[in-house]
Amino acid sequence: GAGVSQTPSNKVTEKGKYVELRCDPISGHTALYWYRQSLGQGPEFLIYFQGTGAADDSGLPNDRFFAVRPEGSVSTLKIQRTERGDSAVYLCASSLSGSDTIYFGEGSWLTVV
Amino acid sequence: KQEVTQIPAALSVPEGENLVLNCSFTDSAIYNLQWFRQDPGKGLTSLLLIQSSQREQTSGRLNASLDKSSGRSTLYIAASQPGDSATYLCALGGSARQLTFGSGTQLTVLP
Repeated sequence: GAGVSQTPSNKVTEKGKYVELRCDPISGHTALYWYRQSLGQGPEFLIYFQGTGAADDSGLPNDRFFAVRPEGSVSTLKIQRTERGDSAVYLCASSLSGSDTIYFGEGSWLTVV
Repeated sequence: KQEVTQIPAALSVPEGENLVLNCSFTDSAIYNLQWFRQDPGKGLTSLLLIQSSQREQTSGRLNASLDKSSGRSTLYIAASQPGDSATYLCALGGSARQLTFGSGTQLTVLP
């Protein structure tokens, strides 16, 4: 596609439920990133994929968070046993391998009630 | 751990004014610095990228500078327009591929 696509754009879920957020990067971009942005704050790094493998997952806050990219294209961020503190915008970004130019999607707004 | 501070948190200026947004950081061992724009409810758009070896970058009415020794960057916007209203974020790139962001400056340009 023309840009980074994220679905759903909005998700409301109950505390304790499981959610999946999907990211479709720009075609040909081997690097994919997930960030989380809370209201009034800048994005915080979660995880970085190079191809199919997670090259850096140091930003994942705890073991309730997991991300996969099985074919080196689409990625899914999975959150188990959601908590109200998980409410945020989850941003996905992609770039060409080795490039510092990064393209962000519009984000998935997650609200845990 | 890199810490990034952006001051002011919010700024309101009349149309046509030149303005400067500030970004400071604690660790000068950076690979690059980027300025992004974020419109309400939208993702981030990269405005300018300064590599560690560079001092500034320019694009149209925007000019960004980098002073690693003092841990500062500025984004200069000339002849501001209402369409420039957005949140501006600076982000530092380190040895890992992750970016460390400031909290942003919310700019409002009044017509």
